[in-house]
Parts: sequence; C-alpha cells; structure tokens
Amino acid sequence: QLQLQESGPGLVKPSETLSLTCAVSGGPISSSSYYWGWIRQPPGKGLEWIGSIYYSGSAYYNPSLKSRVTISVDTSKNQFSLKLSSVTAADTAVYYCARPLKMATILGDFYYWGQGTLVTVSS
Amino acid sequence: QSALTQPPSASGSPGQSVTISCTGTSSDVGGYNYVSWYQQHPGKAPKLMIYEVSKRPSGVPDRFSGSKSGNMASLTVSGLQAEDEADYYCNSYAGSNNLVFGGGTKLTVL
Repeated sequence: QLQLQESGPGLVKPSETLSLTCAVSGGPISSSSYYWGWIRQPPGKGLEWIGSIYYSGSAYYNPSLKSRVTISVDTSKNQFSLKLSSVTAADTAVYYCARPLKMATILGDFYYWGQGTLVTVSS
Repeated sequence: QSALTQPPSASGSPGQSVTISCTGTSSDVGGYNYVSWYQQHPGKAPKLMIYEVSKRPSGVPDRFSGSKSGNMASLTVSGLQAEDEADYYCNSYAGSNNLVFGGGTKLTVL
C-alpha cells in the first residue's frame, strides 16, 4: 500500500523560504510514471494545487505561485520536495503531498494523500 | 486563473438525494472531461470520490455519481447517510498542465 508522509518545519518567518519533503513508501518513485503533487489548504478554506513533478524531474506549477515555487524529486531517497520562497501570512496552510490515480498525467485525480502538515508563517 | 464556483452549503435528510454543482468556464470544466470530486472530513486528507467527470475509484459507493453539462459539473449523493456529512471539492484540468479547485461545499445531513 502506497504511503506518503510530509515533513518539515511547522513555523516559518515572513520573507523566508518554506521547505517540505514528502517521503514515499510502498513503491519506488523512479519506477512509476506518475506526477507527484503538492496541494495546500489554508485554515478553514479550500484546496489549492501548488504543482506537480514527474519522476524524471519535469515539473509544472500553479501560475499564481510559479514565481515562488520549486518542486524537486530525489529518487535515491524516494521523496520529493517543495520550496516556496518569500512567504507571507497568506501562505499559512496545511500542505499535502499526493499521487494521482492515472499515470503520466496531471488531471487532478489525486488518489493517494499524505496526512498533511500545518505550516504557519509568523515572526 | 479563478477558482471553480461551488455553493457554500448543501443539505438533505437521510435517504434523500443531494446535488452539488461546480461551475467553471470553457477553459476548464467545459473544455475537458477531467473533473474530479473529493470528500473531506474534518481534520482528514481529501478522498477521491469521482474522476474524469463520472468514474468512481474502487471502493467508492455507487451512491456517488458525477456528471457534466457545458461549463458545470455536478456531484450527486443518493441515499444520504450520516457519514456523507463532509466538505466536498471539485477540481478540473485547465489546460497546459494546470489544475483548478472549487471553493468547497459543506454538506449537512439533517
């Protein structure tokens, strides 16, 4: 059974860079042709797609966040990561990593999810 | 890009049916048959209930169904049960490897 687990600091200062990692267990990232995604949810609000990355490293981002986001993959550690720069209080959210149902596509059908991790932006 | 439009709330009594709408544009919902629906209980990660407008992943009850007409997609929950009370979100492919979510609908089982 595939499992995803987010990790990283729960508190980030304004203007700094938020960094999170999603560890994947139950199957190797490198042998599966999926786009691995990051989605976030501000407290009490809706979901927002941040971006997705292919196991080979090809990444696509939400246009509204593109200038601040970098998603990378480390197949040797079976994990992928999110970096969001110049954060403000508006970036406070639960951050989820997820994998879609279908291979090689970014269609929004996220089937496997991590439990989510709350990141608060505050000084 | 703008979020898809969902009603903030919906409700129904046990056994009844309720339909939640998700309105977009011809650049997202209307342009592709790639609408997904998620159920989210408080404090939990979202669960995929419908993908590609009307397909159900394994294990999702057939009480949940999806459809689309023009720029609006819909999720129907038939035979409402207490455990269906949750937040529901739609999302759609929006072209150029881009995705957009709806604002969410809180479903209350009366």
